[in-house]
Amino acid sequence: KAGVTQTPRYLIKTRGQQVTLSCSPISGHRSVSWYQQTPGQGLQFLFEYFSETQRNKGNFPGRFSGRQFSNSRSEMNVSTLELGDSALYLCASSLGTDLYEQYFGPGTRLTVT
Amino acid sequence: GENVEQHPSTLSVQEGDSAVIKCTYSDSASNYFPWYKQELGKRPQLIIDIRSNVGEKKDQRIAVTLNKTAKHFSLHITETQPEDSAVYFCAAPWGDSSYKLIFGSGTRLLVRP
Repeated sequence: KAGVTQTPRYLIKTRGQQVTLSCSPISGHRSVSWYQQTPGQGLQFLFEYFSETQRNKGNFPGRFSGRQFSNSRSEMNVSTLELGDSALYLCASSLGTDLYEQYFGPGTRLTVT
Repeated sequence: GENVEQHPSTLSVQEGDSAVIKCTYSDSASNYFPWYKQELGKRPQLIIDIRSNVGEKKDQRIAVTLNKTAKHFSLHITETQPEDSAVYFCAAPWGDSSYKLIFGSGTRLLVRP
């Protein structure tokens, strides 16, 4: 099976802009989780989607949002970008019905200038 | 609160020695504990996990132990090799029915040849 894929891999944006990142899970996986990875804060949970529904949300401002499509592909959006949003954004997929083996994608490196 | 403490933050061992990384979680309802290995510039990879109904699990040179009473779990790597050098993350779900995975802050393991 193909692994988790994310697009784009690299992105440079300026403050105030918005960005959309995409994640395609492993075939058959219905859960997609999103994480922000920074050197200072480590891996922080953003949100998790299962069958197009958000089941859990982390402690991030409302500028961070996501959605999941019927084919389980997921997108996350960050509006009004700030310098502190520069990070590696990782998505992870799992079956969603078992605890909790998650497999990560390669990530999208977002740089905000 | 939602917290997984991980120690040490850095660990340097001689090739062939053992390495132990420890994590403490706060949610007594947590029942699944994965470990991820992240090499430089790569995605986190699931290397081993343990569920709350067992106290220990082994996979070749890697083992994980769980003490639910103390809310501790540990990763043990025996006969370390230079290719074991990476950042290791522990994680635990927040709540037994939650799909929100909280990660430890990571341990940078260096195996000296």
